[in-house]
Amino acid sequence: GAGVSQSPRYKVAKRGQDVALRCDPISGHVSLFWYQQALGQGPEFLTYFQNEAQLDKSGLPSDRFFAERPEGSVSTLKIQRTQQEDSAVYLCASSPTVGALTGANVLTFGAGSRLTVL
Amino acid sequence: GQNIDQPTEMTATEGAIVQINCTYQTSGFNGLFWYQQHAGEAPTFLSYNVLDGLEEKGRFSSFLSRSKGYSYLLLKELQMKDSASYLCAVMDSGAGSYQLTFGKGTKLSVIP
Repeated sequence: GAGVSQSPRYKVAKRGQDVALRCDPISGHVSLFWYQQALGQGPEFLTYFQNEAQLDKSGLPSDRFFAERPEGSVSTLKIQRTQQEDSAVYLCASSPTVGALTGANVLTFGAGSRLTVL
Repeated sequence: GQNIDQPTEMTATEGAIVQINCTYQTSGFNGLFWYQQHAGEAPTFLSYNVLDGLEEKGRFSSFLSRSKGYSYLLLKELQMKDSASYLCAVMDSGAGSYQLTFGKGTKLSVIP
């Protein structure tokens, strides 16, 4: 696609429910990142995929968070037993190649999925 | 770990020039990025600096001093549409994966 597409754009969940957030990266992009952005804050790193391999999940806040990218394109971020502190915007981003991000290998973000946990 | 500091809010007048500063501390610097984010929208790439000096791109310029751990984003001929949050982000070669670490963002309000 022309850009990074995320769905749903808005999700309201009751505490304890499971949610799944989808990311469609730019076609052909190898690298995919998930970030969490709390209100009034900058994005914080959650996890990184190179094709289908999850190479870094050091930012996932707990074992309730799980991400996958089984065919190296679409990715899903799943949050089990949601808590109020999980309320945030979840941003997906992709870049065309592996390796360091540069002015040529730019990270392109989607508009995010806003999760509200009641 | 990393520490990235930028002012929380700034206000400037339409047509004026504004400079948004960013200071950082990293274990292994590998590039600095500026992104623009309008409320409720995706962050969009503005600039990239890896060497000391000024990079100019239209109305926007970005400066880097690696020895001082300092960057700024300069916006000229401000327009109302420039009202947004501006995010400073650093790539740290010691961070493991190729992730960006972001500051908290500077919310810029452009007034008539």
